[in-house]
Amino acid sequence: DQQVKQNSPSLSVQEGRISILNCDYTNSMFDYFLWYKKYPAEGPTFLISISSIKDKNEDGRFTVFLNKSAKHLSLHIVPSQPGDSAVYFCAAKEVGSQGNLIFGKGTKLSVKP
Amino acid sequence: SQTIHQWPATLVQPVGSPLSLECTVEGTSNPNLYWYRQAAGRGLQLLFYSVGIGQISSEVPQNLSASRPQDRQFILSSKKLLLSDSGFYLCAWTRDSNNNEQFFGPGTRLTVL
Repeated sequence: DQQVKQNSPSLSVQEGRISILNCDYTNSMFDYFLWYKKYPAEGPTFLISISSIKDKNEDGRFTVFLNKSAKHLSLHIVPSQPGDSAVYFCAAKEVGSQGNLIFGKGTKLSVKP
Repeated sequence: SQTIHQWPATLVQPVGSPLSLECTVEGTSNPNLYWYRQAAGRGLQLLFYSVGIGQISSEVPQNLSASRPQDRQFILSSKKLLLSDSGFYLCAWTRDSNNNEQFFGPGTRLTVL
């Protein structure tokens, strides 16, 4: 049973527009959420994170929103750039765990010029 | 600064052969270390994690094993590979269990024929 779900396997966006990547979770014990970006044949790179005590975190063009009541988080990228094209993974950490992250299956973002 | 290395970058092995993948971290001490696998069309699955030398925890039962002979070295092994062991293997580290962001290595692409 998947605890972290990314229901959209792919997303296509025009350059300059907003990209919205969604993630849902089922475990109420998650206390920290992260987004990673991954290019083919490379390891994921950390993008942005949010603690469960917050509902928004912003870093440049990237903003993560957390809706705890809906068990939903989203990553907004604005404006989107062709270099943002990659697979984006949502991950969550359970309170008290040894830092273990549970990942979604990823969403492939394509930003078209 | 900290860096994480994995080798080999790619590997093609016959079914039934042994496996040894190595991961080393530089620039930090006593990190938490993790092995993940990304199978085709799937997310990142945590296989093993280690909070110290000789301390290994397994997340899923499988054909693989892990060892941590030195503080900054993490090894993934198998005595006899299966076809289902094919995938992209990623090593990650974090400073300790209180740190949430994990940093990934470049990965090893394993193909079992």
